[in-house]
Amino acid sequence: GAVVSQHPSRVICKSGTSVKIECRSLDFQATTMFWYRQFPKQSLMLMATSNEGSKATYEQGVEKDKFLINHASLTLSTLTVTSAHPEDSSFYICSATSGGANEQFFGPGTRLTVL
Amino acid sequence: GQNIDQPTEMTATEGAIVQINCTYQTSGFNGLFWYQQHAGEAPTFLSYNVLDGLEEKGRFSSFLSRSKGYSYLLLKELQMKDSASYLCAVRLVNDYKLSFGAGTTVTVRA
Repeated sequence: GAVVSQHPSRVICKSGTSVKIECRSLDFQATTMFWYRQFPKQSLMLMATSNEGSKATYEQGVEKDKFLINHASLTLSTLTVTSAHPEDSSFYICSATSGGANEQFFGPGTRLTVL
Repeated sequence: GQNIDQPTEMTATEGAIVQINCTYQTSGFNGLFWYQQHAGEAPTFLSYNVLDGLEEKGRFSSFLSRSKGYSYLLLKELQMKDSASYLCAVRLVNDYKLSFGAGTTVTVRA
């Protein structure tokens, strides 16, 4: 099956710093990648949809200037949490799909803790 | 938006059967997915239904009724490793995005 990786798997940072999370599709070309956030004991909330070579589409209530998304190639999308604050502490998960595919393939997630 | 409802928690005994229901209200339905998620891990794909009926895959089966906006995931011969959260997700027509329900935490007891 298709494999999606995320890096780092876990990050702890100080308040006010920026954190970059990478999402890679390892064995297929991902025309679309999605970024989700999941708080403890809650479901996945879609943050944005990222298409290769174009600007990301953000969901309502998600600040695009705070959560910068870049999808520069068909195998890599990055999410940068700028000026992170403790309330940004969460589990960030990416998923990827190739054109026409039914299934989204999820990465293993990144646990962000902002002190 | 979409309303996707599923029970919060369910408990069952090892070897038993558990049925997790999911109801949804959407415009332009284009498929329903079930994912399994263990604590601290990413979701893993279990099943996909786009037409009415039952899809069976080993110990797991999923059913869909589009007219009723209803699906269920059936877990048979429960094992301890099946203890996890089960997420129902709906996809809309012409949109690859998924809308997830809040998830059902299943606890399997010996």
